[in-house]
Amino acid sequence: EAGVTQFPSHSVIEKGQTVTLRCDPISGHDNLYWYRRVMGKEIKFLLHFVKESKQDESGMPNNRFLAERTGGTYSTLKVQPAELEDSGVYFCASSQEVIGELFFGEGSRLTVL
Amino acid sequence: GDSVTQMEGPVTLSEEAFLTINCTYTATGYPSLFWYVQYPGEGLQLLLKATKADDKGSNKGFEATYRKETTSFHLEKGSVQVSDSAVYFCALSDRGGSNYKLTFGKGTLLTVNP
Repeated sequence: EAGVTQFPSHSVIEKGQTVTLRCDPISGHDNLYWYRRVMGKEIKFLLHFVKESKQDESGMPNNRFLAERTGGTYSTLKVQPAELEDSGVYFCASSQEVIGELFFGEGSRLTVL
Repeated sequence: GDSVTQMEGPVTLSEEAFLTINCTYTATGYPSLFWYVQYPGEGLQLLLKATKADDKGSNKGFEATYRKETTSFHLEKGSVQVSDSAVYFCALSDRGGSNYKLTFGKGTLLTVNP
């Protein structure tokens, strides 16, 4: 069974550009989460989807970040326009139930120059 | 708000040494506690968890006990191996037993030398 996959693994962009990160959860997992780890800091919750609906987006830092989950399958996280402080590793995770093992992807590293 | 504080490391040990990684937490409710591990080139994996006071989580020789009186969840292993080299994250969820909205510590890099 395939795990949680994220693409790209590393993206380098200039300030002001747009980047879209993609997450493919484990098939059948209704719950999908995005987290972010900024250099030297904690991994922080960004948002939680249940199927295609945003259950909680209280961790999204500002309106430059837009997350979608088309048809309740894969999810995208768009940053537009990117700022220097957006650099970090973006993790996606999925689970079948909210109570149950959480599976993480390897993360997408974003570097904004 | 909720927070997790863990020793930042890096921690370097020789094979078969004893490992302790300290973790303390602050939470408004009655949290569930987790240790996650990230091996090089991989995603985070759940190592162990505990959902109520005095519970002991254990896996792969690692153990941690939920201590409500000291708000701690220290990770221990009696004899580390080179393959244990990884980053270890302590985390909590304030929704009992759930994965919802985890709060993480900063992570501790462990290197085990042969």
